[in-house]
Amino acid sequence: EVQLVESGGGLVQPGRSLRLSCAASGFTFDDYAMHWVRQAPGKGLEWVSGISWNSGSIGYADSVKGRFTISRDNAKNSLYLQMNSLRAEDMALYYCAKGVGYDYVWGTFDYWGQGTLVTVSS
Amino acid sequence: QSALTQEASVSGTVGQKVTLSCTGNSNNIGSYAVGWYQQISHGAPKTVMFGNSLPSGIPDRFSGSKSGTTASLTISGLQPEDEADYYCSTWDYSLSAPVFGGGTKLTVL
Repeated sequence: EVQLVESGGGLVQPGRSLRLSCAASGFTFDDYAMHWVRQAPGKGLEWVSGISWNSGSIGYADSVKGRFTISRDNAKNSLYLQMNSLRAEDMALYYCAKGVGYDYVWGTFDYWGQGTLVTVSS
Repeated sequence: QSALTQEASVSGTVGQKVTLSCTGNSNNIGSYAVGWYQQISHGAPKTVMFGNSLPSGIPDRFSGSKSGTTASLTISGLQPEDEADYYCSTWDYSLSAPVFGGGTKLTVL
């Protein structure tokens, strides 16, 4: 059974940093691209970042480019999102999602975690 | 404004067939496979279709199709548990990013 378990969310002041983690199990992690997708309160889904199976291809939404860094550790079956210079508009539930192929450029997802909440407030 | 356009709301009665649409352009839906995601009561999204594939555990009353730059998710034999928000996504070549629709709220009357 595929499982994706996010952690690392919490309350953070504007301008500060936070690191999210996603622990994956139930599939061959290093065969697939992985993504972060967020959902602000009362809003729809927004893609944040994606990374290919071997970290050779990485992409970011314009809204987070230069502030967020995605990475993965295939030995640990884990995905990460380092979030710096956080803003109020980054406040959302952050989901880890498994891509359907090895590259993040396919734009579709087949499994999702339960999400971790990031609250940005002073 | 979302790159993909979905109806804000759709409703149907139990047993009815309903179709949700997702409209894009040649840079996205016209060129790439589409995924559909169900989100019940603001819980985690669940994939109900990607490309022409029905994920394991999803009932076969769900089906997907695409014509030109519009993708559709059809639910045949609507059930009360199908009431949810539904989102579509695909890759957008011009944006170099995955894009989502704004979501459709499906109400089962």
